[in-house]
Amino acid sequence: DQQVKQNSPSLSVQEGRISILNCDYTNSMFDYFLWYKKYPAEGPTFLISISSIKDKNEDGRFTVFLNKSAKHLSLHIVPSQPGDSAVYFCAPSENTDKLIFGTGTRLQVFP
Amino acid sequence: DVKVTQSSRYLVKRTGEKVFLECVQDMDHENMFWYRQDPGLGLRLIYFSYDVKMKEKGDIPEGYSVSREKKERFSLILESASTNQTSMYLCASKTGKMKPQHFGDGTRLSIL
Repeated sequence: DQQVKQNSPSLSVQEGRISILNCDYTNSMFDYFLWYKKYPAEGPTFLISISSIKDKNEDGRFTVFLNKSAKHLSLHIVPSQPGDSAVYFCAPSENTDKLIFGTGTRLQVFP
Repeated sequence: DVKVTQSSRYLVKRTGEKVFLECVQDMDHENMFWYRQDPGLGLRLIYFSYDVKMKEKGDIPEGYSVSREKKERFSLILESASTNQTSMYLCASKTGKMKPQHFGDGTRLSIL
């Protein structure tokens, strides 16, 4: 029973364009949503988060959107850069310290 | 910056061995976590700890145990290693509500 789904295993985007990574969840009790980025042979790095009382949070080139009614989360990266090439995980939590990770989306940004 | 250090980047062990994976954090965080990452499965929580000598089972605790004798150190123990425990193991720590977890660089463990 997967509570968190990232249905696109991979995404390829040209440098300078927008990257949109999607995440769907089933648990309506999730109240805090995080995105992590992971390079090969390194641990995940926290990227951006949003609480359930908001529908948008922006940090530089990264924006996270939350649609609670659709139980959908998305990460927008604009403009995309080659250094953004990594695996991205969404990870919601439900009023606890536990995170539930999605299966990840591999983003490749090409010149 | 938070520093989470895992003692080994790569480890090779044999089936039936008792295996210890060590994790140390330097930010006085209360909460520590152990995950494993497998292709197509994301990160799955094995065990976590809210404080010294406290532990909670995660989603896949079978075959594992943990120890937290000091606040900064959280150990994962494979009681009798099996080949299906070959994986990337990741440790994380955090403090406070609505705060991100900070991860170490992982230990790639191979059980032969």
